[in-house]
Amino acid sequence: QSALTQPASVSGSPGQSITISCTGTSGDIGGYNYVSWYQQHPGKAPKLMIYDVSNRPSGVSNRFSGSKSGNTASLTISGLQADDEADYYCSSYINSITLGFGGGTKLTVL
Amino acid sequence: QVQLQESGPGLVRPSETLSLTCTVSGGSISSHYWSWIRQPPGKGLEWIGNLYNSGSTNRNPSLKSRVTISVDTSENQLTLKLSSVTAADTAVYYCASGSVATSGYYGMDVWGQGTTVTVSS
Repeated sequence: QSALTQPASVSGSPGQSITISCTGTSGDIGGYNYVSWYQQHPGKAPKLMIYDVSNRPSGVSNRFSGSKSGNTASLTISGLQADDEADYYCSSYINSITLGFGGGTKLTVL
Repeated sequence: QVQLQESGPGLVRPSETLSLTCTVSGGSISSHYWSWIRQPPGKGLEWIGNLYNSGSTNRNPSLKSRVTISVDTSENQLTLKLSSVTAADTAVYYCASGSVATSGYYGMDVWGQGTTVTVSS
């Protein structure tokens, strides 16, 4: 049972935009601006795409953006490319626990 | 650029203690915060615990009684010990790190390649 709730899968065509949601509670996403997003290709280690809700690490494409509204965080990928096909995980600080992950979302580029 | 490399036994017997090492190169272990994260086969990520440069640790409550995280600054190594393992502890184990300057307060922008641990008799 993951601490945060993500859709199991999303899909989009090349060039389109997609959004992946991550729903928590006031004790995690809603209470802190410490949401991160990770991209994981099969057999590879996760890669940080967004931290502190909406900040991109150096080297990450500006096609990736993050936001938050209430207890739900979102990752938006614009101008979808074939290489964006991967699993995406959100994580958030959780009061008194420190960190939790979402169950992951499989992105398929059609 | 900090690089991380996990190492440890690939096979552990049930009820024994799993011990993994994360060797840090290209940076100081004292300037970052550190996490152990695992991923069971075909499943999602599970946070195990954090070690901060202050020396304090936080652990996942579901694993807390079995988890020990420590650091050897002289060797630039982070260690994870997980006791009383069962088949449910079979996973790829990752060492990861972050710093406020590059990944905020809880983001992890450097990951090891992961090491696979199987619990079986």
